[in-house]
Parts: sequence; C-alpha cells; structure tokens
Amino acid sequence: GAGVSQSPSNKVTEKGKDVELRCDPISGHTALYWYRQSLGQGLEFLIYFQGNSAPDKSGLPSDRFSAERTGGSVSTLTIQRTQQEDSAVYLCASSITSGRTFTGELFFGEGSRLTVL
Amino acid sequence: AQSVTQLGSHVSVSEGALVLLRCNYSSSVPPYLFWYVQYPNQGLQLLLKYTSAATLVKGINGFEAEFKKSETSFHLTKPSAHMSDAAEYFCAVSDQAGDKLIFGTGTRLQVFP
Repeated sequence: GAGVSQSPSNKVTEKGKDVELRCDPISGHTALYWYRQSLGQGLEFLIYFQGNSAPDKSGLPSDRFSAERTGGSVSTLTIQRTQQEDSAVYLCASSITSGRTFTGELFFGEGSRLTVL
Repeated sequence: AQSVTQLGSHVSVSEGALVLLRCNYSSSVPPYLFWYVQYPNQGLQLLLKYTSAATLVKGINGFEAEFKKSETSFHLTKPSAHMSDAAEYFCAVSDQAGDKLIFGTGTRLQVFP
C-alpha cells in the first residue's frame, strides 16, 4: 500500500491476556518505529528498527513488551499479560534514511487502539 | 538528554486570529526540531522541520516556526487560523544519537467560528 498500515485498528482485551499488534511499513523504508500515545502523555518512544541492525529497545516499559521485524518489513509488537495501564493507542511509523542521515520525516499509521478491561 | 516542552495542552482561537503554539527544547547538541500535526482520526504528519539552515522555517498550510537559540524555543505560528486547522500539534526533537524523535505532550488547537 501507499502508507503505513496497522492492524487491528481497535482491540479490546481482558487483563492478563496477550495481544499482538501488526505494522506494515511503506515499501523501501528501512527504519521502523513504535510509539505509544496515551492521553496527556504525548508520544512515548518504544522501539526502533533500522535495517539489519540490532533494534533500539530503550523505550520498552517492561519485559512484557517485545517486538520483532521479519525480513526487514512487517513488524509485530507483542504485549504479554496485559494490564489496564497498557491501554493506549500504539503508533507505528516508518522512515527512509539516506546513508547515516536522519531526515526526521516519519510516516505514521493511524494506530491501534488497545483497551484493557 | 534531549526533550521538548509544550506549554498549554489546549489552545482556542477564533477563525482568522493568530495561532501561536509554544515549544521549548532542551538539547546538549545543536538540535533538529520538528512540528507534526494529527488531524482527527488520522496519523501524524510532518508540518515542518528545522535542521540548522534558516532559522525561520515555513511548512504546509501556512504554518511557520522560528528557531531561537537564545530562548531555546521553536514556537509554531500561523497568521490567520482556519477551521480546518483544528488538530493536535506535536513538537519533537531528534535524540542525541540522531536516529529517532522525542515528542512533546501535544497541544490541541480548537478554532471557533
């Protein structure tokens, strides 16, 4: 597709269940980011993938959160044993980098809204 | 560590009035600064960016921002608000490694007729 695609758009789950959120970036974009958007908290960085390099996981809030990116394209964010405080909109973005130059232009998907009951 | 602070979580203006959304940054290195906009039910999109060239940066939809090192500010302005400008606006700074963005908490702009 032309843009970043995320699924599901909405997910309601019960506390303690595991959830998987999927992101399909723009074709050819080497960088992929996950952010969490909570009311009043802005966008919180979670994890960053760049090509075949080891991901930057510095923003993951706990070991219940993990992400992978297969074949340098699609990414899945997994939250295990969900808690109510995990309720938020999870945003994926992709970007193209020119060599080592960070353009700062991230292309965002519409997000996956997670509600934990 | 790099960070940005957006003053005012909500700003309301009348249509045709000046829009001013405030952003102050903290950075140990010369920063790259950005404004993103999120329209209702849409993903964020880049409005404009400062990358150490001209201090006055022009973006889409008539918005502009001025980098002021002495004030550590990068405020977003538009001379005349339009109803379609109603959205949430996020200021961001590139992190020290220069490979990801650190966002502020956002400012929701309401425009009244």
